[in-house]
Amino acid sequence: QVHLVQSGPEVKKPGSSVKVSCKTSGGTFRTYPISWVRQAPGQGLEWMGGIIPIFGTTYYAQNFQGRVTITTDESTSTAYMEVNSLRSDDTAVYYCARDLAEAAHDAFDIWGQGTMVTVSS
Amino acid sequence: QSALTQPPSASGSPGQSVTISCTGTSSDVGGHNYVSWYQQHPGKAPKLMIYEVNKRPSGVPDRFSASKSGNTASLTVSGLQAEDEADYYCCSYAGNNDYVFGTGTKVTVL
Repeated sequence: QVHLVQSGPEVKKPGSSVKVSCKTSGGTFRTYPISWVRQAPGQGLEWMGGIIPIFGTTYYAQNFQGRVTITTDESTSTAYMEVNSLRSDDTAVYYCARDLAEAAHDAFDIWGQGTMVTVSS
Repeated sequence: QSALTQPPSASGSPGQSVTISCTGTSSDVGGHNYVSWYQQHPGKAPKLMIYEVNKRPSGVPDRFSASKSGNTASLTVSGLQAEDEADYYCCSYAGNNDYVFGTGTKVTVL
């Protein structure tokens, strides 16, 4: 059974950066796209971007282009999402989610437990 | 990409049905058959309930069904049960490696 396990909560200052990890266990890592989705307190889901590990292809939502970097480490089956120039409105739970289709786009069938990132001075 | 439009809330009594709409554009919902639906209970990660417009993953009750017409997708929950009370989000592939989520609908079981 495949699980995505994310790193723990973070508290950051405005203007700093945060890097959240998402480790795949129990299944294939490199052929399934991983996306990152965030949810601000009391708000809806927002897709941020994703990566296809086997190709190293990354793609970002327009709102996050240039401020978010998604990477992977195949040796540890881990995906990373880094947000730079943090603002207070980046305070949110950040989820990683695996696509159900190999090397393609379909739907997110496996989700990490979420990582709370709080941006506060 | 603008968020897909969902009604903020929907409700029904146990045993009844509730239908949630999800309206997008020809670039997302209307242009691709990769519409999915997610259930989210408070404090929990979303759970995939429907993919590719109307397919149910293993383990999802057949009380959950979905369809699409033009730029609008719909999710119907039949035979409402207390555990169906949750937030529901639609999502569509929008081409060019892009996804867009809906605004979310809170379903209340009366």
